[in-house]
Amino acid sequence: DQQVKQNSPSLSVQEGRISILNCDYTNSMFDYFLWYKKYPAEGPTFLISISSIKDKNEDGRFTVFLNKSAKHLSLHIVPSQPGDSAVYFCAAKENSGGSNYKLTFGKGTLLTVNP
Amino acid sequence: EPEVTQTPSHQVTQMGQEVILRCVPISNHLYFYWYRQILGQKVEFLVSFYNNEISEKSEIFDDQFSVERPDGSNFTLKIRSTKLEDSAMYFCASSGYRNTEAFFGQGTRLTVV
Repeated sequence: DQQVKQNSPSLSVQEGRISILNCDYTNSMFDYFLWYKKYPAEGPTFLISISSIKDKNEDGRFTVFLNKSAKHLSLHIVPSQPGDSAVYFCAAKENSGGSNYKLTFGKGTLLTVNP
Repeated sequence: EPEVTQTPSHQVTQMGQEVILRCVPISNHLYFYWYRQILGQKVEFLVSFYNNEISEKSEIFDDQFSVERPDGSNFTLKIRSTKLEDSAMYFCASSGYRNTEAFFGQGTRLTVV
């Protein structure tokens, strides 16, 4: 049961252009969404997050958009740089009211930024 | 910059053997987690740990698994009797508060032969 889906296993863009990574979710109880970047042989690195009470969060070149009615979020990277080439994971946290921080991850999208 | 460190980076073990994966979370963090990623699959939650006890665990985290914070700095994952399907990257993570991002270690690649 894929509660978090990243339907594009890979994406290739030219340096300087916009990269748009998409993520869909099915669990209405998710209230916090995150994007992680992962290089080979390294752990996931936190990139940006958004609470379900917002529809946009921006941090430098990275912007995350959340459409709750469509249960869809996207990560925009502008302008894309070759160093952005990595696997990007969408992750979500359920509002369980507990003290834990269980994340449900998507399968990831491999972004390749060509010089 | 503070980081989560994991040892060893790669562990090879024979099926049926016990393994202990070690993690040093960021020092002032309160919440600790183990995740794993089987090759080609998504990162999966195993267990979360807060206030010296398990706060949540997944179906994967059966009786063969246990976690411990033995000395206030280390956080360990023990697999009592490894199976071939336990081969995966195991990631430790920690976070400071409930609604803040988790920081991940670089992972331990466990290979069960």
